[in-house]
Amino acid sequence: GEEVAQTPKHLVRGEGQKAKLYCAPIKGHSYVFWYQQVLKNEFKFLISFQNENVFDETGMPKERFSAKCLPNSPCSLEIQATKLEDSAVYFCASSQSIAGNGYTFGSGTRLTVV
Amino acid sequence: RKEVEQDPGPFNVPEGATVAFNCTYSNSASQSFFWYRQDCRKEPKLLMSVYSSGNEDGRFTAQLNRASQYISLLIRDSKLSDSATYLCVVNPGGGADGLTFGKGTHLIIQP
Repeated sequence: GEEVAQTPKHLVRGEGQKAKLYCAPIKGHSYVFWYQQVLKNEFKFLISFQNENVFDETGMPKERFSAKCLPNSPCSLEIQATKLEDSAVYFCASSQSIAGNGYTFGSGTRLTVV
Repeated sequence: RKEVEQDPGPFNVPEGATVAFNCTYSNSASQSFFWYRQDCRKEPKLLMSVYSSGNEDGRFTAQLNRASQYISLLIRDSKLSDSATYLCVVNPGGGADGLTFGKGTHLIIQP
């Protein structure tokens, strides 16, 4: 498709519960990026993929966050044992190249940890 | 020093006025530059790329000053629909972490 599809749109989890977010990139886009946007508009890079391979995961809190992009499946971002500070909007973006010209963002998943 | 800095505003501007805002970036090796628009917690959407020669798209003009490491956006004849947060975005050099975002400048166009 011509849009990046993120599901669910909203997710509410109790502290300590698991959260799993999904992202279907635009067909033909080789790169997928996950960003976290907290209240003050700060976009924090989490992880990038080139096809199904992790490209850069320097932004990931490794103890609780994991992500995958498997062939023929939506990419996923999973948070084990959520904390209050994980509450944010998680945006996925896909692109044909790493250069930045053609990043298309999904509409995001708003995660609220209570 | 933050990698991409913007004045968060808000900028309150009457309809029809011209408004301009800048952002600065710290990485002199940065290769590409963009303005994205974000409406009310929705996804960012590319407004325009920014080139060294400057570029214009309708009422919007973007300029890049590599020597001073700043990027500007000018909006002429502002419309109510221009109210949004404008994100200055830099690609530091094709790195795997992709784009670096400023915190955004909040623009409110008043009737």
